[in-house]
Parts: sequence; C-alpha cells; structure tokens
Amino acid sequence: AQKVTQAQTEISVVEKEDVTLDCVYETRDTTYYLFWYKQPPSGELVFLIRRNSFDEQNEISGRYSWNFQKSTSSFNFTITASQVVDSAVYFCALRGAGTASKLTFGTGTRLQVTL
Amino acid sequence: ETGVTQTPRHLVMGMTNKKSLKCEQHLGHNAMYWYKQSAKKPLELMFVYNFKEQTENNSVPSRFSPECPNSSHLFLHLHTLQPEDSALYLCASSGGTVFEKLFFGSGTQLSVL
Repeated sequence: AQKVTQAQTEISVVEKEDVTLDCVYETRDTTYYLFWYKQPPSGELVFLIRRNSFDEQNEISGRYSWNFQKSTSSFNFTITASQVVDSAVYFCALRGAGTASKLTFGTGTRLQVTL
Repeated sequence: ETGVTQTPRHLVMGMTNKKSLKCEQHLGHNAMYWYKQSAKKPLELMFVYNFKEQTENNSVPSRFSPECPNSSHLFLHLHTLQPEDSALYLCASSGGTVFEKLFFGSGTQLSVL
C-alpha cells in the first residue's frame, strides 16, 4: 500500500522568509513518481513538479526547490523568499509505475504568507 | 479559457434532490477523473475514465453515478445524497499514462442539506 504523509497542517510565515514543506512517503514499488501540486484559493490544483524514483537530483525552479532523498523517503519542497501569492494549500502525491497503481495524495499543507 | 472547466462552481441541494456536475476539458486528453476533497482528508479518487470507458470505481456509493459521453466531457450525477457528501468535487484530465501530470478544474463546492 502507498502512503503520503504531510505532517505540517498549516504554516504561517512573513513575506521574504524561506519555508520548507515536508513530504514523507511509503511504497513497495521500486519505480514510482512523486508530485507536488499547489491549490490556490480559486480551487484548481496546479502541477508544480514530477520526480522519478530513479532520479535523485534536486531541482530548482526560480524560488522553488525540491529535495528528494530516497534514503529517508522524503520529497521536501522549499520556497525561498516567500511571497503573498505563494499562499495556498500544497499537496504531495505518489504513484507507482504499474498501470493499476493509483495516485495517492497527502492531506496537504496550508501555507499562509503575510506582509 | 482554462483547460478543465467545471460547472457549477457552487451547489446546494437537499437530500432528495437530483443534480449533475459537469466537467469539460479542452486539452485533447484521453483520461478523466473525479476526485472528492473533504476537509483535512487526502483527495479521494472516485472514478477514472480512459477513452470514455470507466477503468476505476473506487468503491463509491451508488448515489454517485458518473457518465462520460466522450473524451472531453464528464458528468457526475447525484441522487439522494447525505450531508457527509458535502465536499469539493474536482475533475481532472491527463494523457492517461501513469507518470503524467493531472490538470484540474476549479471544482464544485457541494453542500447537502
């Protein structure tokens, strides 16, 4: 069975602070895919990144960076110099490579960035 | 125009009503999904359609009835719902392979009185 744990329910930061959102996963699959999605107040989830289990390189995209560590089964997401527009709920998700595998989401972390 | 459009955005219904949620995607995708989002719970996958055929029903009660007349449209017919069915219902689409990202609509916020 697959499981995604986002232990942080809510985080509040002041604009320009750095913030890290944690994601820990469990899977028996040797090949799998990890995702992060952002859900702004408008409701639709927006894809941020996909990482394959065989690619442990960290990735940076502007103010966003992701730290994938297979040894600890974690796929953490860091926002540098946070902005008010980053306020949203962020979901980590996992899917195995098999066709019968389902996309499993965590419970999400609500990030509130204030001035 | 957004890639995945859901209507209505908000719906209030009584337990004896029948209503339908609509989803339309303009992305040329082959797979469409219904998810339920309740407070403090992970997103729950309800149904999956690939090329108009239902490929997954995640033990959803029969008071929820999906319909996929073509690859671009997906409906969720609602009948005799319960108050605990109140949630945000999200539609998504994808190309259909396991590693592809999902494109979501803005959802229908459903309240069952």
